[in-house]
Amino acid sequence: GDSVTQMEGPVTLSEEAFLTINCTYTATGYPSLFWYVQYPGEGLQLLLKATKADDKGSNKGFEATYRKETTSFHLEKGSVQVSDSAVYFCALSQGGGADGLTFGKGTHLIIQP
Amino acid sequence: DADVTQTPRNRITKTGKRIMLECSQTKGHDRMYWYRQDPGLGLRLIYYSFDVKDINKGEISDGYSVSRQAQAKFSLSLESAIPNQTALYFCATKGNTGELFFGEGSRLTVL
Repeated sequence: GDSVTQMEGPVTLSEEAFLTINCTYTATGYPSLFWYVQYPGEGLQLLLKATKADDKGSNKGFEATYRKETTSFHLEKGSVQVSDSAVYFCALSQGGGADGLTFGKGTHLIIQP
Repeated sequence: DADVTQTPRNRITKTGKRIMLECSQTKGHDRMYWYRQDPGLGLRLIYYSFDVKDINKGEISDGYSVSRQAQAKFSLSLESAIPNQTALYFCATKGNTGELFFGEGSRLTVL
């Protein structure tokens, strides 16, 4: 079945550091790929998405490129802020009859001033 | 107001009790979902519904049941709660773009 693997945390960085959170997936066909963010005490919210190979999703300074050849969707940000501290989830969607998203286990990001 | 609203937000109960978590949405989406979040395990799908007459089991449906009372309402029930059902539960809806829209979560503790 489909699966998503992302780097385990917590990941601790200093403010203004460069961020990469790795995400790889296993799926048949051509899934859509997502990054969700969960701030403390809140539900998940969509950060960015890509629906086909070589698409780049971007939002709030975060970027991720859908790499079919490496089955990856790594999340990057050039300069993180304390307010980026949260849990980040990589997910895929096949759509069709098997519905819902398949999520990775989440990566807890901690940004120190 | 939130587009996806869950009640209660927090609940503590005892083993063997019946619990219902409710979800309502104003997004007009047909597809609704219940997920469970556990530390280190991410989110796992419990049940999902394509419309009022279409209910489907997810990855971990044992011990749970659902009811889709209307397009806007989707409830999750634990008929006889047990301690390993202690978790954070999320309701979500899905639009045509494939994006899920989540509620703020219901934290359930079973003693």
